[in-house]
Amino acid sequence: KQEVTQIPAALSVPEGENLVLNCSFTDSAIYNLQWFRQDPGKGLTSLLLIQSSQREQTSGRLNASLDKSSGRSTLYIAASQPGDSATYLCAVRDTGKLIFGQGTTLQVKP
Amino acid sequence: EAEVAQSPRYKITEKSQAVAFWCDPISGHATLYWYRQILGQGPELLVQFQDESVVDDSQLPKDRFSAERLKGVDSTLKIQPAELGDSAMYLCASSPRTVINEQFFGPGTRLTVL
Repeated sequence: KQEVTQIPAALSVPEGENLVLNCSFTDSAIYNLQWFRQDPGKGLTSLLLIQSSQREQTSGRLNASLDKSSGRSTLYIAASQPGDSATYLCAVRDTGKLIFGQGTTLQVKP
Repeated sequence: EAEVAQSPRYKITEKSQAVAFWCDPISGHATLYWYRQILGQGPELLVQFQDESVVDDSQLPKDRFSAERLKGVDSTLKIQPAELGDSAMYLCASSPRTVINEQFFGPGTRLTVL
């Protein structure tokens, strides 16, 4: 059974700092991995999608990497801003459905 | 920009009452998902539709939950009777047909059962 773990559960950093969020999964037979952002009480916004054949994806200040063999993904956020404060969720797709981690709640202090 | 629509955004009900949620996926998306997210946790799939057919409902509590997508477009998720433990965010998502495609989520319906 696929399990997804995100560490740390919460993170607080000063504005401007570069940071890394971690995601690990137990079964490497995945189709893709998706990173989401969720603001309090809101739905999920897709940030990046990495297919199983890819190593990384970039969008603006965000860079996500995927190492299937070790069952790991990282989300790198450069030059963090207070507006980046949210919960970040990773999810893997191993059949039709997404299996989510519990998320990392990020607070960026001005 | 195309979006997944959900209504209502918020619902407060008493236990034992019936509730229903509606979802309209992005036009042309064949696959529709309903997820439940308990506060502090990641979403978990309740049911997946491919067109009008159920593909996966293994985690749907079928004694009280039902879902339909009659014409393969919009969908309704119903709970009857609601229980206190059903309080959660109910999220709808859609994607194009193949498994490699990105899933797009709606704003969700926040359910509170009193």
